[in-house]
Amino acid sequence: DTAVSQTPKYLVTQMGNDKSIKCEQNLGHDTMYWYKQDSKKFLKIMFSYNNKELIINETVPNRFSPKSPDKAHLNLHINSLELGDSAVYFCASSQAMMGSSLNIQYFGAGTRLSVL
Amino acid sequence: AQTVTQSQPEMSVQEAETVTLSCTYDTSESDYYLFWYKQPPSRQMILVIRQEAYKQQNATENRFSVNFQKAAKSFSLKISDSQLGDAAMYFCAYRRDTDKLIFGTGTRLQVFP
Repeated sequence: DTAVSQTPKYLVTQMGNDKSIKCEQNLGHDTMYWYKQDSKKFLKIMFSYNNKELIINETVPNRFSPKSPDKAHLNLHINSLELGDSAVYFCASSQAMMGSSLNIQYFGAGTRLSVL
Repeated sequence: AQTVTQSQPEMSVQEAETVTLSCTYDTSESDYYLFWYKQPPSRQMILVIRQEAYKQQNATENRFSVNFQKAAKSFSLKISDSQLGDAAMYFCAYRRDTDKLIFGTGTRLQVFP
């Protein structure tokens, strides 16, 4: 069973469209994350949710809106897509235990978004 | 703000040899965690090894070990007996408590037969 699964794996769309990427984890974790990896392979946090509450929002344009219907799911909606949104988007999850090294982040396989 | 620096964009090693990937970081915190993740061509991010800053002993996982120098803020990864399957991008990452991971820019490792 895949621990953190993202769909779709590939997404090709036109500028101006609205799209969503779904993420689900079956690890029973409390915290989920979205990271963006740009064309130079640089990975940066976008959002983090803990028990459905937003706890990290890293100055991401408000065209990006995360939604967490329950603690096992964190979806990413992107409105009015721009060329610069082309990237690989990774979902991750962790068990939020304060001060514990068990708080390892497990990653999904990524979604490659191409905006034409 | 915390930063992570990987000064080697690319490294290469021959099969069965040993290679060391460098990582330095900047933080004013005393308690934190450091990680090395591997990203093969499949794109999957795979945890290789982790180190708690409060532990003086260097972490090891089979052929992978780290040299953690807290005062120097250095966290290098040593891969022994390199295998073709070790070829990948390697990312060093820093995290404080339950906070986000801050990644370095990555090192592409090539392994030659």
